[in-house]
Amino acid sequence: DAKTTQPNSMESNEEEPVHLPCNHSTISGTDYIHWYRQLPSQGPEYVIHGLTSNVNNRMASLAIAEDRKSSTLILHRATLRDAAVYYCILRDWTGGGADGLTFGKGTHLIIQP
Amino acid sequence: GAVVSQHPSWVICKSGTSVKIECRSLDFQATTMFWYRQFPKQSLMLMATSNEGSKATYEQGVEKDKFLINHASLTLSTLTVTSAHPEDSSFYICSAREPPGLPYEQYFGPGTRLTVT
Repeated sequence: DAKTTQPNSMESNEEEPVHLPCNHSTISGTDYIHWYRQLPSQGPEYVIHGLTSNVNNRMASLAIAEDRKSSTLILHRATLRDAAVYYCILRDWTGGGADGLTFGKGTHLIIQP
Repeated sequence: GAVVSQHPSWVICKSGTSVKIECRSLDFQATTMFWYRQFPKQSLMLMATSNEGSKATYEQGVEKDKFLINHASLTLSTLTVTSAHPEDSSFYICSAREPPGLPYEQYFGPGTRLTVT
């Protein structure tokens, strides 16, 4: 899987929007962009994924740059429960998702009350 | 969404003993499950891929004779840490994916914290 680059940590205030960036300049045409998050002492959980167009779900929005070399995960109104490590991961869809995930260091999101 | 459980959630064992960790997909059939390991303040590292009815595939550097994986049914995979040593103390997490054709997200278990004394 292609490499991603994320800031080590970010801080935000409760009830404010949070924009988590991810750079993936070597992304290939068959790579999906996935986001997972890991709350303290828990297994990761799926957040969202996209290919080219922006995506929305109940948890977050994913904004993908036109050249696909970067993306931004948007939490519209952060809560204390959103404090977690967020991982941006590229997945080659031609493999059918048969491979395990390659986790980088992710971004540690801190939410201030 | 799909649910994956792990048992036990934590375990303490003595050096030299073996420990078995179970990973179950509760509401779907998982032909493929994955095992990860996470040391404190580090990211998850994929250990092996477990396929139902066949041998597991191990990542480079993971000892297959030490970390025995069995995927005997479509809802259960087990990881046995044999002759555990203190350096095996870690957070072990499994994940499962639904059959091909469905969204490719993986569903993770809550993890098992292993402490070897």
